[in-house]
Amino acid sequence: GIQVEQSPPDLILQEGANSTLRCNFSDSVNNLQWFHQNPWGQLINLFYIPSGTKQNGRLSATTVATERYSLLYISSSQTTDSGVYFCAGGSGGGADGLTFGKGTHLIIQP
Amino acid sequence: EAQVTQNPRYLITVTGKKLTVTCSQNMNHEYMSWYRQDPGLGLRQIYYSMNVEVTDKGDVPEGYKVSRKEKRNFPLILESPSPNQTSLYFCASRDITYNEQFFGPGTRLTVL
Repeated sequence: GIQVEQSPPDLILQEGANSTLRCNFSDSVNNLQWFHQNPWGQLINLFYIPSGTKQNGRLSATTVATERYSLLYISSSQTTDSGVYFCAGGSGGGADGLTFGKGTHLIIQP
Repeated sequence: EAQVTQNPRYLITVTGKKLTVTCSQNMNHEYMSWYRQDPGLGLRQIYYSMNVEVTDKGDVPEGYKVSRKEKRNFPLILESPSPNQTSLYFCASRDITYNEQFFGPGTRLTVL
């Protein structure tokens, strides 16, 4: 199956800083999503981005499908951005589920 | 509001006492699945369903059962829970052709 690697595993930043989280895939994916797991454990959908670039406020994501990686950018970090960020991918369609990376644990300090 | 709901959100039980975690979605999605999340292991798929009366095993199905009698509901059944099933469980759904998955709020299960 697909292997998903995320980096860095941990990241500590000051409020206002920018960050880039990376996700590498071992094989081609037709489905790629980024999630934020908040302190209460809920998985929040950030982006569905099998290719291209999307932006939502201070967050943006880029997936380069041909090179099997995706990047999540967080600008002007706020303490509420803290939590674990997961990327997950799959071949898409049919019976395919999502394979999750181990996540990036982000701490934004005031 | 489009959503996936799970109940209960928190449950503490004892070994061997059968339990069911319910999952319901209001988006008319064909595909539904269950994941468990464990420290150091990430999220892993337990079971999935392509449609009513169609279910199949995911990566970690041992000790679990599911059923899909209605399109909107996909309950997870633990016939005889054991402590190694203590975990955070997520239900998810998606349209069969459009791949974005939507997750429920999670159920924290502790088996003593």
